[in-house]
Amino acid sequence: GAGVSQSPSNKVTEKGKDVELRCDPISGHTALYWYRQRLGQGLEFLIYFQGNSAPDKSGLPSDRFSAERTGESVSTLTIQRTQQEDSAVYLCASSPLAGGPQETQYFGPGTRLLVL
Amino acid sequence: QKEVEQDPGPLSVPEGAIVSLNCTYSNSAFQYFMWYRQYSRKGPELLMYTYSSGNKEDGRFTAQVDKSSKYISLFIRDSQPSDSATYLCAMTSGAGSYQLTFGKGTKLSVIP
Repeated sequence: GAGVSQSPSNKVTEKGKDVELRCDPISGHTALYWYRQRLGQGLEFLIYFQGNSAPDKSGLPSDRFSAERTGESVSTLTIQRTQQEDSAVYLCASSPLAGGPQETQYFGPGTRLLVL
Repeated sequence: QKEVEQDPGPLSVPEGAIVSLNCTYSNSAFQYFMWYRQYSRKGPELLMYTYSSGNKEDGRFTAQVDKSSKYISLFIRDSQPSDSATYLCAMTSGAGSYQLTFGKGTKLSVIP
């Protein structure tokens, strides 16, 4: 079927506003991951879901960031009270299972967030 | 020192050239090494995956890992304009570990 999809593709917001980013993983994929890619930087791990539980939230930069997932389906990443340093590409990936580095992570195209 | 260092380039080569892309790392626990290719405005896609030291070949691509030097390489033979992309190295420590540590990526342009 289709690959990982993310929406919106681009988001421009004002400092202080909340934003919601959406990820639709590949159907049947148990594991879902969120990463952040700042300009000129590598991908930073944010959070990982196994099903709808998030055993590892260690990468979330602050308590302004939160994420949830409905079953083994859609996930939303919410950034409250956005700051200019939140400007980045937010990438979502999914894999069939989790816990193995041999599990290929399939990435979506990302959401480009610009905070003015 | 960052855990993974990768020269961001940009790297520009003529079509047909052999390209060498490299990463160094500091965490000796890393055992699984990956190369991702990312086209402009797209998500990364897995290109090569290797475990521990050694070489792995797939068509025009060869991945090398030297754990003693904490150094990994990706070689592209007979480079094509379609290889123009950003190449990201990534690594993780072991079974049960899903958290990937990425390099910054090297932007490659193959000129026809």
